[in-house]
Amino acid sequence: AQSVAQPEDQVNVAEGNPLTVKCTYSVSGNPYLFWYVQYPNRGLQFLLKYITGDNLVKGSYGFEAEFNKSQTSFHLKKPSALVSDSALYFCAVRDMSANQAGTALIFGKGTTLSVSS
Amino acid sequence: DTGVSQNPRHKITKRGQNVTFRCDPISEHNRLYWYRQTLGQGPEFLTYFQNEAQLEKSRLLSDRFSAERPKGSFSTLEIQRTEQGDSAMYLCASTRGGGLNTEAFFGQGTRLTVV
Repeated sequence: AQSVAQPEDQVNVAEGNPLTVKCTYSVSGNPYLFWYVQYPNRGLQFLLKYITGDNLVKGSYGFEAEFNKSQTSFHLKKPSALVSDSALYFCAVRDMSANQAGTALIFGKGTTLSVSS
Repeated sequence: DTGVSQNPRHKITKRGQNVTFRCDPISEHNRLYWYRQTLGQGPEFLTYFQNEAQLEKSRLLSDRFSAERPKGSFSTLEIQRTEQGDSAMYLCASTRGGGLNTEAFFGQGTRLTVV
């Protein structure tokens, strides 16, 4: 079955420190992976995506993600966290099961990032 | 603001009542998706449209749920005979085309509370 796991409900980091939000996936075939961020009272906002090519993907607001095929992971990273990065982060993968054929996204449960000043 | 608009933002209804939500996608986007998000969970796919055609429905979409997209523009999601388990955030998203690498743009959602 296609799935996405975000093993941490919450990640706490101090401002200026590097941050990592973890994501692992299980799909048949090549994965199409996405990260979205959700601020309070705001819709989900696209951060970045991995399709093919370089394993390190750069996205919005200084975020990047590292794709690791052998570990089936797609961890979100940022070298220096800001207080304004505090939000709910979702990892998602295209549903490539037979009855979906890549139309929908499967989301993880989300990880709350809290950056302290 | 992603450009996808959803109304109302909040809806409180009594159990057994019918409710209808509206989504206005980005104008040039031909695909429109509905997702449901409950507390502590990520969004779950409900259904999607390509233009005016509803092409896929999740098993989560019971027969009390119906969605339309007349003329391939805005979409409505109706829930009949609401139940407390229907309480959730209902999200709409749109994309231009159906490419696997196409990112979706989400609205702010409609939060439904069934009392």
